[in-house]
Amino acid sequence: AQKVTQAQTEISVVEKEDVTLDCVYETRDTTYYLFWYKQPPSGELVFLIRRNSFDEQNEISGRYSWNFQKSTSSFNFTITASQVVDSAVYFCALSEADNTDKLIFGTGTRLQVFP
Amino acid sequence: EAGVAQSPRYKIIEKRQSVAFWCNPISGHATLYWYQQILGQGPKLLIQFQNNGVVDDSQLPKDRFSAERLKGVDSTLKIQPAKLEDSAVYLCASSDLVSHNEQFFGPGTRLTVL
Repeated sequence: AQKVTQAQTEISVVEKEDVTLDCVYETRDTTYYLFWYKQPPSGELVFLIRRNSFDEQNEISGRYSWNFQKSTSSFNFTITASQVVDSAVYFCALSEADNTDKLIFGTGTRLQVFP
Repeated sequence: EAGVAQSPRYKIIEKRQSVAFWCNPISGHATLYWYQQILGQGPKLLIQFQNNGVVDDSQLPKDRFSAERLKGVDSTLKIQPAKLEDSAVYLCASSDLVSHNEQFFGPGTRLTVL
């Protein structure tokens, strides 16, 4: 069965600290897609990244980086030099190629960055 | 480019009443999704349309929820009658026809059932 686990419910850091948000997934499909979304207080989910199961290269985008490891079924997200504007709930999600496009979300990690 | 529009943003009703939500996806997006997000949880798909056809409604409580997407553009989601456990944020999203591509989300409608 497909499942996404975000074990960290809430993380608090002080501005400029680095922070890593963990995501572990379960799927029986060999082809699947992993996503990260940000949900600021306004409530709108904002897309951050999409990665398919055949591409294990790590990705960096500005202060954001993602570490995809199939061996541990993890897709972790790191924010370097965090800022107050990074405060939000972050969701990891899974979409299976043999299924419809539906996203299976984790329960989210609330990140609070204090000045 | 305009994003996904939803209305109303907030709705408070009493149990057993009915309610309807409206969504206008990004222009040209063939696929439209309705998700339910209960407080403290991740969104859960209720129904997915491609154009005006239903692709997946396996998690839609069909005894009380219904949805339609006339003409393959706007969509409405209805709950009749509402229960206390329907209190949640209802998110609409849309995407283009590329399989498993990024979904663009609207601001959501926060429903409170008293």
